[in-house]
Amino acid sequence: EVVLTQSPGTLSLSPGERATLSCRASQSVSSTYLAWYQQRPGQAPRLLIYAASRRATGIPDRFSGRGSGTDFTLSISNLEPEDFAVYYCQQYGDSPRITFGQGTRLEIK
Amino acid sequence: QVQLQESGPGLVKPSETLSLTCSVSGGSVSDYYWNWFRQPPGKELEWIGFVYFSGSTSYNPSLKSRVTMSVDTSKNQFSVTLRSVIPADTAVYYCARPTEKATTPYAFDIWGQGTLVTVSS
Repeated sequence: EVVLTQSPGTLSLSPGERATLSCRASQSVSSTYLAWYQQRPGQAPRLLIYAASRRATGIPDRFSGRGSGTDFTLSISNLEPEDFAVYYCQQYGDSPRITFGQGTRLEIK
Repeated sequence: QVQLQESGPGLVKPSETLSLTCSVSGGSVSDYYWNWFRQPPGKELEWIGFVYFSGSTSYNPSLKSRVTMSVDTSKNQFSVTLRSVIPADTAVYYCARPTEKATTPYAFDIWGQGTLVTVSS
């Protein structure tokens, strides 16, 4: 099983700042199979990034993803008030096919 | 555009069976791997499994002994049943569709709103 570890657990920043979120895998993950989601309270997850660096439809270019192997990063520049939420990374692989990280909470400082 | 809507009981007694359906509107169940996820209150997401429109399935090993998924193409919907539920199965259950059809479901861009299922006597 591929375990995804996200850090930090909580990130406190101000609007306008840049956020950098990390996702580390316990074994190598194909870049094609690494995605990032945003989840606001009471809402379903929203796909932000897939294939490690490709923005999903309608996602602003303030969101960017990078990485390969076991280390992946989601960056959010010029934070807007609506960006403060929980972010999850997710991978597709062997059994179980799909796993998520434990999440990073981005909160307003 | 495609929309998903979960339906089913919000309360299930321990040891009984949880059954949920996801109705697909604005598109067809054909050609996609349809997935179920759950999220216990305050916790991270967990993948339950997927069912292809042809009926083939893949389940999370942690739940495999209790889960069954199916597709009803005539009703344009798919379903999940979880047997012998326990309080730890209390969660918001989501159905979701991957970004691409007829291929590995590696990312999910369409989600239902989620439905809270509580396991309690």
